[in-house]
Amino acid sequence: GAVVSQHPSRVICKSGTSVKIECRSLDFQATTMFWYRQFPKQSLMLMATSNEGSKATYEQGVEKDKFLINHASLTLSTLTVTSAHPEDSSFYICSARYTGERTEAFFGQGTRLTVV
Amino acid sequence: LAKTTQPISMDSYEGQEVNITCSHNNIATNDYITWYQQFPSQGPRFIIQGYKTKVTNEVASLFIPADRKSSTLSLPRVSLSDTAVYYCLVGDYTDKLIFGTGTRLQVFP
Repeated sequence: GAVVSQHPSRVICKSGTSVKIECRSLDFQATTMFWYRQFPKQSLMLMATSNEGSKATYEQGVEKDKFLINHASLTLSTLTVTSAHPEDSSFYICSARYTGERTEAFFGQGTRLTVV
Repeated sequence: LAKTTQPISMDSYEGQEVNITCSHNNIATNDYITWYQQFPSQGPRFIIQGYKTKVTNEVASLFIPADRKSSTLSLPRVSLSDTAVYYCLVGDYTDKLIFGTGTRLQVFP
């Protein structure tokens, strides 16, 4: 299958700082990318959907000013957690879907964020 | 966006065939059915996708009845490494990818 690279895989930051997570589709172009967070023993919760060149669409309850998403090209989307707090600690996962009328999506390996 | 329902958990033994069924009563005409596998602390991995009847790849088979209101993921001769959470998603290429609870498969020796 196609490859989606997510970086970093693990990050520890201090409260109040910002953290950027990158998601790259390495061998295909992705018009649409999705960002999720996942708590232990729970399913993936969709945070936002981003389309290349346009603003992200956030799910209800997700603060767009806190979780900044940029999808500047067909192969790169970034999630920035601003002014991080301990409650933002979680596992963040990105997903990229093929351009065009294909429904398969591929996922990054995830980023474990710990805010201390 | 069709909602999916799966068993919360299943147990099996090595070498057995495992069938996980997903219900999606409100599936739309343009919707595909896709299954993903997730190991702890990893992103989900695409397993198989289908629209109707049967699809088979090197990893699994997907059975979809004519009414498409359900689907069954079949894993032949599971091993310990197949212990994971399996998610069934339904939608077309414009839909958001919404995950349900998934099925936690535990394979015992």
